[in-house]
Amino acid sequence: QQPVQSPQAVILREGEDAVINCSSSKALYSVHWYRQKHGEAPVFLMILLKGGEQKGHDKISASFNEKKQQSSLYLTASQLSYSGTYFCGTEDYGGSQGNLIFGKGTKLSVKP
Amino acid sequence: SQTIHQWPATLVQPVGSPLSLECTVEGTSNPNLYWYRQAAGRGLQLLFYSVGIGQISSEVPQNLSASRPQDRQFILSSKKLLLSDSGFYLCAWSAYRGRAGELFFGEGSRLTVL
Repeated sequence: QQPVQSPQAVILREGEDAVINCSSSKALYSVHWYRQKHGEAPVFLMILLKGGEQKGHDKISASFNEKKQQSSLYLTASQLSYSGTYFCGTEDYGGSQGNLIFGKGTKLSVKP
Repeated sequence: SQTIHQWPATLVQPVGSPLSLECTVEGTSNPNLYWYRQAAGRGLQLLFYSVGIGQISSEVPQNLSASRPQDRQFILSSKKLLLSDSGFYLCAWSAYRGRAGELFFGEGSRLTVL
């Protein structure tokens, strides 16, 4: 079942923060985050494997609340290069192993 | 290093015509291969995946089919296209076995069915 992402779209000014949420109705084994710039292929950001795990690189980080079956992506002090559509992909315990089900995406626009 | 190639990049096809999209991966052996479709407002929808030559699994019923004639070649086909087949098709590969790992996507093929 497709995870639900919120918000669907967000507009920021450079330097502002944003949070993108991803929730599932199923118990999750892992959550994956990707960013896709317009007209390009999605690019991997990070995988979260354990409940409570938090990861990050640069000023983008994420958390995984296994009990709540949700993950959040945090973008701090956003830059113009952060613009794009962010997808979460989830892998649940009952689904086909190794396959991700992606949400519909959150479109992030960072303005100068 | 590993690379993934996908072609054609863009195509416009009439309803009822056949389709063939090709994807090849270089620099790795026995990858997991995937076809995703991206339609407006629907995100990335998994269509097919393959863990080896001749092994194809379908995630959604449709008039598309996939084949893997060689270890690093993945082909998406249709005998007769429908209007609803329009979209952005992405091939991807992963090195992981068992659980999901990092996906590496091709540049995509944008299909418009008229």
